[in-house]
Amino acid sequence: NAGVTQTPKFQVLKTGQSMTLQCAQDMNHNSMYWYRQDPGMGLRLIYYSASEGTTDKGEVPNGYNVSRLNKREFSLRLESAAPSQTSVYFCASSLDSGVYGYTFGSGTRLTVV
Amino acid sequence: GENVEQHPSTLSVQEGDSAVIKCTYSDSASNYFPWYKQELGKRPQLIIDIRSNVGEKKDQRIAVTLNKTAKHFSLHITETQPEDSAVYFCAASITGNQFYFGTGTSLTVIP
Repeated sequence: NAGVTQTPKFQVLKTGQSMTLQCAQDMNHNSMYWYRQDPGMGLRLIYYSASEGTTDKGEVPNGYNVSRLNKREFSLRLESAAPSQTSVYFCASSLDSGVYGYTFGSGTRLTVV
Repeated sequence: GENVEQHPSTLSVQEGDSAVIKCTYSDSASNYFPWYKQELGKRPQLIIDIRSNVGEKKDQRIAVTLNKTAKHFSLHITETQPEDSAVYFCAASITGNQFYFGTGTSLTVIP
């Protein structure tokens, strides 16, 4: 089992460019999440999908969109990247929302210049 | 929403000593409390968790305690080793909702 797979691992964007971060899990988990991690601020939830077909905003959703493509895949899109979106992005999954611990992906280090 | 505070932000201990990290939460409805360890450049990994119907849980050198009345929970690491050096995050969750993370504690174990 690969667990949670994120692509790409590193990305540099220019301000205003768009991109999609991909995430896939093979653990038959129902819930998937996107977090960003910034120094001194811990992990902040951007969007989550409690189950296939549903998505909800987290703490910091502005500037992002998500798609739960199927039970396995949950993508995060930046439509017009800004320097404030420079961060490390983690995808995570859990068997059920808020009930079990997460399995995290390996992260995407995004730099917006 | 829930607010989780974590202290201290940095902690240095001598190898073999114990380390304690404390978190408080604001929403009395929170009922699941996981702890994650993140080594430099790596993903966070779940190391132990506790549910609100349990006061303490142990796994070898790691233990977590929960005080629901005071709304705080703590991570205890005994006989610390250099490989315990990492950033530790606490989190709180209300069943059916998302997790709220603390801001992390950077633990350094000095050989």
